[in-house]
Amino acid sequence: AQSVSQHNHHVILSEAASLELGCNYSYGGTVNLFWYVQYPGQHLQLLLKYFSGDPLVKGIKGFEAEFIKSKFSFNLRKPSVQWSDTAEYFCAAGSGNTGKLIFGQGTTLQVKP
Amino acid sequence: NAGVTQTPKFQVLKTGQSMTLQCAQDMNHEYMSWYRQDPGMGLRLIHYSVGAGITDQGEVPNGYNVSRSTTEDFPLRLLSAAPSQTSVYFCASSSRPAGVDYGYTFGSGTRLTVV
Repeated sequence: AQSVSQHNHHVILSEAASLELGCNYSYGGTVNLFWYVQYPGQHLQLLLKYFSGDPLVKGIKGFEAEFIKSKFSFNLRKPSVQWSDTAEYFCAAGSGNTGKLIFGQGTTLQVKP
Repeated sequence: NAGVTQTPKFQVLKTGQSMTLQCAQDMNHEYMSWYRQDPGMGLRLIHYSVGAGITDQGEVPNGYNVSRSTTEDFPLRLLSAAPSQTSVYFCASSSRPAGVDYGYTFGSGTRLTVV
């Protein structure tokens, strides 16, 4: 069965600290990978996506993610977080064949000023 | 403004009642999905559609029905509401399957409480 797993449920960091959020997926066939962010009181927005090619993808607001096929992972990183990065982050996996997009459980990031 | 419109924003139902959550998009997107968001569970896919007249089940379809008679609309029906269906429901759409181009566009959500 298709699934997405996020290891960290709640992360607390101080401003300027580095961030890495883990994501593993189980998905047969060609998979497309995404990170979405949900700021407090808002709906989900796309941070970045991976389809093919360079496994290191860059998104908005200084975020990046690395696709490691051998580990079935797509971890999200940011070198220096800001208070405004406080939000919930979701990893998702989808297939261009089926039209399904499956989300992980989400990670709540709290950045202390 | 173009986007995904969900109505109502809030709803309280009694156990056993039925209702329809509305979702409409004006971007001519073929692909639409319904998710429920629960604390610690992330977003779980209820049903999805790859075009008018075509729907399929997601991860948690029990207790919900959908239909897609037009490209624009994708209503979600709760047949007999149960407290376990208390959740925030999101509708999303995209022009490519699974949002493989620009990602999904999400609606602002419907917060449903079943008492």
